[in-house]
Amino acid sequence: GQNIDQPTEMTATEGAIVQINCTYQTSGFNGLFWYQQHAGEAPTFLSYNVLDGLEEKGRFSSFLSRSKGYSYLLLKELQMKDSASYLCAALDYQLTFGKGTKLSVIP
Amino acid sequence: EPEVTQTPSHQVTQMGQEVILRCVPISNHLYFYWYRQILGQKVEFLVSFYNNEISEKSEIFDDQFSVERPDGSNFTLKIRSTKLEDSAMYFCASRSPRGGFYNEQFFGPGTRLTVL
Repeated sequence: GQNIDQPTEMTATEGAIVQINCTYQTSGFNGLFWYQQHAGEAPTFLSYNVLDGLEEKGRFSSFLSRSKGYSYLLLKELQMKDSASYLCAALDYQLTFGKGTKLSVIP
Repeated sequence: EPEVTQTPSHQVTQMGQEVILRCVPISNHLYFYWYRQILGQKVEFLVSFYNNEISEKSEIFDDQFSVERPDGSNFTLKIRSTKLEDSAMYFCASRSPRGGFYNEQFFGPGTRLTVL
């Protein structure tokens, strides 16, 4: 079976750094995706990790520890437009999504 | 930039009616997917499709659902007899074969299905 856990909501201040954690338990594993989803819109791809370690992409970084079944998404220099839900998704032969973390960025 | 498109953006139907949701994947992509998201809940995988056949499907994808690639560009999801609990946003996604199994899936904007 598949189980993805992430916090339901987080609040952070504009210009700050925020880390969104995700733990997963899957029967098979072919990588971990992070997607951003604004309300009423489609998910958009942010990052993908399949090997342990940190992947950096501009203001966004994602980390994976396969032995711990753990990932995080790090957002730096937060902007108001970063207010959205962030979806952690584990891939075996299909993508299984977590419930998403609703991030609110406040001035 | 190429994108996945879906029509209609919003579909309202009566319980028991058939609906067909349409998607046009990115043109050089070969892997296609349908997901649904009930309001306030997580995105759920329904089905994946490759080489004109279903490759994976979830428990949600029962006999009421079917998928088809009727021509070289469209990918459709049919729900034969809609139920109230089918009300959700339905997302189509596609993936390129290049780079192997791990390429990102590109999502369409979704069709909001409301069953009355």
